[in-house]
Amino acid sequence: EAQVTQNPRYLITVTGKKLTVTCSQNMNHEYMSWYRQDPGLGLRQIYYSMNVEVTDKGDVPEGYKVSRKEKRNFPLILESPSPNQTSLYFCASKGAGGFGNSPLHFGNGTRLTVT
Amino acid sequence: SQKIEQNSEALNIQEGKTATLTCNYTNYSPAYLQWYRQDPGRGPVFLLLIRENEKEKRKERLKVTFDTTLKQSLFHITASQPADSATYLCALDSTGGFKTIFGAGTRLFVKA
Repeated sequence: EAQVTQNPRYLITVTGKKLTVTCSQNMNHEYMSWYRQDPGLGLRQIYYSMNVEVTDKGDVPEGYKVSRKEKRNFPLILESPSPNQTSLYFCASKGAGGFGNSPLHFGNGTRLTVT
Repeated sequence: SQKIEQNSEALNIQEGKTATLTCNYTNYSPAYLQWYRQDPGRGPVFLLLIRENEKEKRKERLKVTFDTTLKQSLFHITASQPADSATYLCALDSTGGFKTIFGAGTRLFVKA
């Protein structure tokens, strides 16, 4: 089954404790992206990757890091989480053939709470 | 800056009626406009994509219109069912498609 898999689904941590949220897709998609979703603000893009070893900032990249060493994986790293990073996070991917013409496939989300 | 507005108030309709959701945007000239459905606790799921040179697109009970002059899209669900209850997100994309931007969504409730 074609899917985007995120782990963990729920994560509670404390301020300053480094964490990684994993994302993997099995559709051989070139493009992957991370979003955060907050009430009333919608989905905001954190980082995206057009292909292996190619990443770029989205609209809200501060406090986050990403890497793209393999095509299928795109982990999101919070080096020193803070309470304002408490949010619902989604990983998404899409194939080529004109990126704008391709829909995004989303994972089921990671709900992060930073205390 | 680019902005997408969707009605933040929930839309309540009776089963069998047509639901119409609105998406307005400013400071952007998208090449593509997409609609997604999101259920509580789940990721958004793609429904329809319409190109800037298309006026209307249909898929089963769904219809999307795209007016680049008004900078508006309308999303219609005909013969609505309780199972259509969800949040619907509007999204805009450029030709490059590397920075899809989303509206905050409109919550739809369909009563039996």
